[in-house]
Amino acid sequence: DQQVKQNSPSLSVQEGRISILNCDYTNSMFDYFLWYKKYPAEGPTFLISISSIKDKNEDGRFTVFLNKSAKHLSLHIVPSQPGDSAVYFCAASPGYGGSQGNLIFGKGTKLSVKP
Amino acid sequence: NAGVMQNPRHLVRRRGQEARLRCSPVKGHSHVYWYRQLPEEGLKFMVYLQKENIIDESGMPKERFSAEFPKEGPSILRIQQVVRGDSAAYFCASSDRPINSPLHFGNGTRLTVT
Repeated sequence: DQQVKQNSPSLSVQEGRISILNCDYTNSMFDYFLWYKKYPAEGPTFLISISSIKDKNEDGRFTVFLNKSAKHLSLHIVPSQPGDSAVYFCAASPGYGGSQGNLIFGKGTKLSVKP
Repeated sequence: NAGVMQNPRHLVRRRGQEARLRCSPVKGHSHVYWYRQLPEEGLKFMVYLQKENIIDESGMPKERFSAEFPKEGPSILRIQQVVRGDSAAYFCASSDRPINSPLHFGNGTRLTVT
């Protein structure tokens, strides 16, 4: 049973436009969410995170939105660049009741940004 | 490069052999995590260690798998008597604190069991 779902396996966007990657979760105890980017043959690279006490966090071109009532978060990349082409993973932390390092990952969304 | 270092990058083992995967965390990080990624899947948590202690091994198979993070030296993930189903990418990550801190991942070890 997947607790973190990324329902779009792939997304294609034109350079300069907005990329929106979505993630849904089922466990209301999750309290810390992260986005990672992964290139082939490399490890995931941390992008941005958000705590459940916030609904938005911004870092440069990357913004993460959290909707706790809908158990949904999204990553916005504006403007998208060809170098953003990678697989993006959403991850959730199970909260203080469990190990904070026990992140639950989605299966990823492959983003392609076309020049 | 002061990031998480994993070696080897690629490891080929025949069924029944042992695999040893090594991980040196970011300097100053005392929390180490091991994850496994099967093809077309997300990363799955295996074990969380803090210097000399296993904190959470809930994601690690009970048999054949073990992990350690000694006082000196890298963390080791050990897989005994490997089977084909162990073929995967194994990622190590580290953090400077256990709560609400992003994990920094290494580039992984790709294990192939023939």
